Amino acid sequence: ETGVTQTPRHLVMGMTNKKSLKCEQHLGHNAMYWYKQSAKKPLELMFVYNFKEQTENNSVPSRFSPECPNSSHLFLHLHTLQPEDSALYLCASSQDFSKDYGYTFGSGTRLTVV
Amino acid sequence: DQQVKQNSPSLSVQEGRISILNCDYTNSMFDYFLWYKKYPAEGPTFLISISSIKDKNEDGRFTVFLNKSAKHLSLHIVPSQPGDSAVYFCAASGQGAQKLVFGQGTRLTINP
Repeated sequence: ETGVTQTPRHLVMGMTNKKSLKCEQHLGHNAMYWYKQSAKKPLELMFVYNFKEQTENNSVPSRFSPECPNSSHLFLHLHTLQPEDSALYLCASSQDFSKDYGYTFGSGTRLTVV
Repeated sequence: DQQVKQNSPSLSVQEGRISILNCDYTNSMFDYFLWYKKYPAEGPTFLISISSIKDKNEDGRFTVFLNKSAKHLSLHIVPSQPGDSAVYFCAASGQGAQKLVFGQGTRLTINP
């Protein structure tokens, strides 16, 4: 497999559930990102990891908890979410910061909180 | 404070005509700009970019223009094709920052 793979593609969870989103990249990149896309809003950066270390947390509520065990894998652990957290969650990766191409994105996880 | 703005949420263009998508930014430290294209159920894919040292970059049917004094960039697609129907995101970065700032996207529909 190549590129950035996200699982699951769709997720419906209750407000009291705990679930995790997974992202895997096979590009040899050293940086990974979580973005949130809500309807009619810009893509919102949530977290940045560089060489497995978190370098940015964009004031994300603690009910979202990222984990980056290695440069190829990134998780987003979810617990006690709110309906307004329903959105498309996109993972991306980059090699340092390639200004020619920016990021490579996965297809996203469509999350619905009920 | 939204640093990158795409003020047109949607645009409809006839096949074969020119599509012009606009993007404005407020941060004068941005020095690199990119356009991404997104189909439903897929992640955004890189389309074309431009450095602030240039005012135009062309790749096939796609041309990006940058007006630094106006803090404005535009993407021209000519001729437009049905496969160009997608959401287009403008993004910007500055000073080597490993972070892209995105606009809210413009949905382009090409009508046959």
